[in-house]
Amino acid sequence: AQTVTQSQPEMSVQEAETVTLSCTYDTSESDYYLFWYKQPPSRQMILVIRQEAYKQQNATENRFSVNFQKAAKSFSLKISDSQLGDAAMYFCAWGANGGATNKLIFGTGTLLAVQP
Amino acid sequence: DAGVIQSPRHEVTEMGQEVTLRCKPISGHNSLFWYRQTMMRGLELLIYFNNNVPIDDSGMPEDRFSAKMPNASFSTLKIQPSEPRDSAVYFCASSLYQSETQYFGPGTRLLVL
Repeated sequence: AQTVTQSQPEMSVQEAETVTLSCTYDTSESDYYLFWYKQPPSRQMILVIRQEAYKQQNATENRFSVNFQKAAKSFSLKISDSQLGDAAMYFCAWGANGGATNKLIFGTGTLLAVQP
Repeated sequence: DAGVIQSPRHEVTEMGQEVTLRCKPISGHNSLFWYRQTMMRGLELLIYFNNNVPIDDSGMPEDRFSAKMPNASFSTLKIQPSEPRDSAVYFCASSLYQSETQYFGPGTRLLVL
C-alpha cells in the first residue's frame, strides 16, 4: 500500500525568507503523480504544484518549487520569498497514473506559520 | 469558470437525522471524489465515480453512508442515521480524467450533536 509521510507537523518562516517542507512516500508503482495542496483557515483545498513521476525536471510555479528525488522517494516543497498569505496547512499527496484506482493518498500535513 | 460547488457549506443536525450533502463538479470533468477530513484520521477518500459509475467505495465507513451520481453534473452523499462521530469536513473533488489533478470544492462542515 502507498503511504505518504510528512515529518514536520509545524514550521515557521519569516516573511520574505525561504522555507522547505518535507515529504516522503512509499510506493511500488512506477508511474504516478505527486501534489502539494494548501489548506488555509477557510478549509479550501488549493492545488499548489504537481509533479509527474516520469519527468526528471522539477516542477515550478512562481515562488513554489519542488525537489523531486524519485530514487529516494522524496518530494519537498520550497517556498521562496514567503508571504503572509502563505500561512496554511500544506498537504503532500500521491496519486497513481492509471491502474484500477486513482485515489489520492495524503500526508498528515505541515502547518506553516509566516512571521511578519 | 466555476469550480466545484458544494452545499450546504455548514450543517448542524441531531444524532439520528438524515444528512444529505451535494456536489456539482466542474463542467466537463468525468471523475468525482468524496473525501472526509477529521483531526483523527486526516483526509480520507470515501468513494469515487468515473462517468457517473462508482468505482471504489472501499472508504465508505459503513452502511449508513451512501453516495449517488445520477448525472454528470450532480452527486450526493447521504448519511442515515447520522452519529456524532460523523462530524467532519466533507470535500467533493473532480478531475478531467481518472488520473488528472483533482480540484476540490470548499467543503461542507458537518456537526452532529
